[in-house]
Amino acid sequence: KAGVTQTPRYLIKTRGQQVTLSCSPISGHRSVSWYQQTPGQGLQFLFEYFSETQRNKGNFPGRFSGRQFSNSRSEMNVSTLELGDSALYLCASSLAGWEQYFGPGTRLTVT
Amino acid sequence: AQKVTQAQTEISVVEKEDVTLDCVYETRDTTYYLFWYKQPPSGELVFLIRRNSFDEQNEISGRYSWNFQKSTSSFNFTITASQVVDSAVYFCALSEAIEAQGGSEKLVFGKGTKLTVNP
Repeated sequence: KAGVTQTPRYLIKTRGQQVTLSCSPISGHRSVSWYQQTPGQGLQFLFEYFSETQRNKGNFPGRFSGRQFSNSRSEMNVSTLELGDSALYLCASSLAGWEQYFGPGTRLTVT
Repeated sequence: AQKVTQAQTEISVVEKEDVTLDCVYETRDTTYYLFWYKQPPSGELVFLIRRNSFDEQNEISGRYSWNFQKSTSSFNFTITASQVVDSAVYFCALSEAIEAQGGSEKLVFGKGTKLTVNP
């Protein structure tokens, strides 16, 4: 069974640009969560989608948004990038809430 | 508000030593879940264990064991006879509730403990 996949794995963007990251969950998993990992703040929850609906949201500005498609694939978008948005963005999928399976992450660098 | 504290930022041991990673949590909920994840250099978080607040039994899985003490709000993780492959960052996490069906938790993570096992 294929694991959680995230694309792209690495990304370099310039301040002010926007970026879209993609996450494909494990087949059959309907819940997708996104986390941001930085050296200073650690791992922080961004949002969770279930059946195309955002169910949970962390404390991030509105520049961070996401969506989920009918096939459970999810995308997150960050607009007007800031230097502080440089981070590893991790996606996790879950079948029934028992445990989350994480993808390898997308490392975003904002210059 | 929920909070997870991993006081040990870095630990370095020699292979075959036992090592315990500490985790202290704060929550007002009576029902909650505790987790441990391992993050090797590749970056992918690997699930190790999940424990609910009603089950204080200690658990052992091979060289890994977990000690959950509600009285001290701690969920410590011990690796027995450590190996070089155990080198990673280990995260303790907490969630408030699990959806009854098809749901997922919002995890609150500690800052992690970097474990280095030297040969």
